[in-house]
Amino acid sequence: DQQVKQNSPSLSVQEGRISILNCDYTNSMFDYFLWYKKYPAEGPTFLISISSIKDKNEDGRFTVFLNKSAKHLSLHIVPSQPGDSAVYFCAAREGSYNTDKLIFGTGTRLQVFP
Amino acid sequence: ETGVTQSPTHLIKTRGQQVTLRCSSQSGHNTVSWYQQALGQGPQFIFQYYREEENGRGNFPPRFSGLQFPNYSSELNVNALELDDSALYLCASSLQGGVTEAFFGQGTRLTVV
Repeated sequence: DQQVKQNSPSLSVQEGRISILNCDYTNSMFDYFLWYKKYPAEGPTFLISISSIKDKNEDGRFTVFLNKSAKHLSLHIVPSQPGDSAVYFCAAREGSYNTDKLIFGTGTRLQVFP
Repeated sequence: ETGVTQSPTHLIKTRGQQVTLRCSSQSGHNTVSWYQQALGQGPQFIFQYYREEENGRGNFPPRFSGLQFPNYSSELNVNALELDDSALYLCASSLQGGVTEAFFGQGTRLTVV
């Protein structure tokens, strides 16, 4: 059973516009959420994270929003750039002091066109 | 640059064989996790090693095993390879007990024929 879901396999956005990537989860025990970006032939690269006690975290062009009641998080990229074209994975950490187990979604492929 | 390196980058094995994949963790990181990413899927947690001991395991059979060495590098061993084991195997290092932004290596692409 998929505990972390990314229902949009792909997203196409024009350069300069906002990209919004969505993620839903089912386990209310998740205490930390992360977004990773992955280019072909490379490992995932950490992008931004948010603790379950917050509802927003911002880092430059990237903002993650968390809605705990809806078990939903989203990643906003503003403005989108062609270099942002990649697969984006949402991941959740199962809460435990000494466990770093991440549960990943299936990814959303973002394409930013000129 | 993450500093996590995996070897080899690509590997082809025959069904029934055994394989060993290697991972060097980022400097200062004491925890290594292994993930399997099948085509079109997100990475799936295999297991984690902390201080040379297994510290959590995902839903993978016992033929998937691992080791962590005193320098925190790690190996993933898979016995009796099956066709479905074909995937990208990712190693991630992190600092146990802290805020976790796990840093991933580039992965090993395993093809079982």
